[in-house]
Amino acid sequence: GENVEQHPSTLSVQEGDSAVIKCTYSDSASNYFPWYKQELGKRPQLIIDIRSNVGEKKDQRIAVTLNKTAKHFSLHITETQPEDSAVYFCAATALWGYNKLIFGAGTRLAVHP
Amino acid sequence: GAVVSQHPSWVICKSGTSVKIECRSLDFQATTMFWYRQFPKQSLMLMATSNEGSKATYEQGVEKDKFLINHASLTLSTLTVTSAHPEDSSFYICSARAETLETQYFGPGTRLLVL
Repeated sequence: GENVEQHPSTLSVQEGDSAVIKCTYSDSASNYFPWYKQELGKRPQLIIDIRSNVGEKKDQRIAVTLNKTAKHFSLHITETQPEDSAVYFCAATALWGYNKLIFGAGTRLAVHP
Repeated sequence: GAVVSQHPSWVICKSGTSVKIECRSLDFQATTMFWYRQFPKQSLMLMATSNEGSKATYEQGVEKDKFLINHASLTLSTLTVTSAHPEDSSFYICSARAETLETQYFGPGTRLLVL
């Protein structure tokens, strides 16, 4: 069945450094890839997304890249800040039918001052 | 825009009782709503997908008679945990999607503790 693998499971960086989280999906029909940030005890919040007809998308300090051939997509956070500390989930879906999101296992990012 | 609410935010109940959780889209019509379960330090596990006016589609391994889902209107879906047991204790989160949007918006979640 569909599967999304996410690495690393934990990531610790110093404030100001960059952080990269990588995901691989299995379903070649997937064409929409959102990233969610979840703080402890709170709801997942969409931080950036990308569609399969785009290779890269950037929003201030956050960027996402997509390699359709390799079925890889990555989240890049530059100039990290302590408030970036959270769990980040990647997801993949095909934008037809029920639009069911397949989530990765999550990456716990810790940004140390 | 795109606000999803959930009620209650937390609930404690006795084993054997039923608990109903409501998920509402406040400022858009949600043609599809999703129910997830999340254990501590784990990812979101999709339980079922519901479309307004039709029966929910359950993921493999999820008991449809135990987790009753009703999507009665374009702004409301409910999840009823029937005959709850301690192993049903978890964080339940709903999400909603409008027909014209690709993004799912999540509710704040309901923490269920079954004693």
